[in-house]
Amino acid sequence: EDQVTQSPEALRLQEGESSSLNCSYTVSGLRGLFWYRQDPGKGPEFLFTLYSAGEEKEKERLKATLTKKESFLHITAPKPEDSATYLCAVQVVAGSARQLTFGSGTQLTVLP
Amino acid sequence: DVKVTQSSRYLVKRTGEKVFLECVQDMDHENMFWYRQDPGLGLRLIYFSYDVKMKEKGDIPEGYSVSREKKERFSLILESASTNQTSMYLCASSLRQGLGNTIYFGEGSWLTVV
Repeated sequence: EDQVTQSPEALRLQEGESSSLNCSYTVSGLRGLFWYRQDPGKGPEFLFTLYSAGEEKEKERLKATLTKKESFLHITAPKPEDSATYLCAVQVVAGSARQLTFGSGTQLTVLP
Repeated sequence: DVKVTQSSRYLVKRTGEKVFLECVQDMDHENMFWYRQDPGLGLRLIYFSYDVKMKEKGDIPEGYSVSREKKERFSLILESASTNQTSMYLCASSLRQGLGNTIYFGEGSWLTVV
């Protein structure tokens, strides 16, 4: 069975304190790995898609990386506005509209 | 920008009522989805549709049905609402099937069944 596990469940950082969130996966065949940001009471907002091991993508203070077993979301010098829940999801069956299997998320709090 | 609009943000319904959740997307996307999100359980797929009048069950379809009469609109129906259907419901859409098609989400609908 395909599984996506995110760790830690919750993370508290001081403003400027860099860290990483982890998304590990066990799937039969990875087609794509997605990162989303979700603010309280709102829908997930798309951040990145990664397709193959070694790929990296950046957006402002965020950088996502991918290996054959996991993905990391690195947050450099975070600010309070980066506080949110970060979700990762894997696309496991190409050509199927079923598409994504989600992890449970990491709730990030950045303190001023 | 892709826009997925859920018409009702907050609803309170009584047990046994029929509930309609409406979703519209404005980007001519072929695929549309309904998820529910619960603390500790993450996002779970209820139903999805890959074309007008076409639908497939997701992981938790029991107690739900869907309707897609037009490409831009996808409705989730709770035939007889129950308290265990209290949740946040998320509609989403994507352009087509295949590799790397990003799923875009609406703002969510909070349903409370009392």
